[in-house]
Amino acid sequence: EIVLTQSPATLSLSPGERATLSCRASQSVSTYLAWFQQKPGQAPRLLIYDASNRATGIPARFSGSGSGTDFTLTISSLEPEDFAVYYCQHRSNLPPYTFGQGTKLDIK
Amino acid sequence: EVQLVESGGGVVQPGGSLRLSCAASGFMFDDYAMHWVRQAPGKGLEWVSLIHGDGSGPYYVESVKGRFTISRDNSKNSLYLQMNSLRTEDTAFYYCAKDYWLGDWGQGTLVIVSS
Repeated sequence: EIVLTQSPATLSLSPGERATLSCRASQSVSTYLAWFQQKPGQAPRLLIYDASNRATGIPARFSGSGSGTDFTLTISSLEPEDFAVYYCQHRSNLPPYTFGQGTKLDIK
Repeated sequence: EVQLVESGGGVVQPGGSLRLSCAASGFMFDDYAMHWVRQAPGKGLEWVSLIHGDGSGPYYVESVKGRFTISRDNSKNSLYLQMNSLRTEDTAFYYCAKDYWLGDWGQGTLVIVSS
């Protein structure tokens, strides 16, 4: 089973700042990695798939990069609605398609 | 517009069973793989199961193998999760999600396993 480790666990920033979230896989997942955003009381929403492709309707301030074992989600300039929990998930080879433990992005 | 609506959650005693349903609309259901993902209250996401569009697979997380069964009825645009031998640690919101990248999600249904 592939283990995804996200860092940091919590990131405190202010609106307008740049956010950089990390996801590390225990073995290569090529580019088969996605990022999700979840707000309280809501279902998760797909932001990025295949490591760097924005899902439909996702603003351009969200970008993803990486391949192999190291991945990054960058939010170029934080908007108030971006404060949420972010998860990475792999879709490499066969299931289980594990999630990372999440990074909580909160307002400083 | 894609819509996924889960139902069937509730309170059940340890060792009991529940069957969750996910009604899909707004897309060609049999063209897409479907997943179940769960989230214990206040915790992170856990992928549970996947079934391909033609019903092949299926795949499960280790902790539910032999207890949960995913299925689909493409004629009814519906996805199911039969959960047997439920444990307290199965308590969670259960979400269905569409396609390999989980591009669309339902609102979830809450399963509470408690005596």
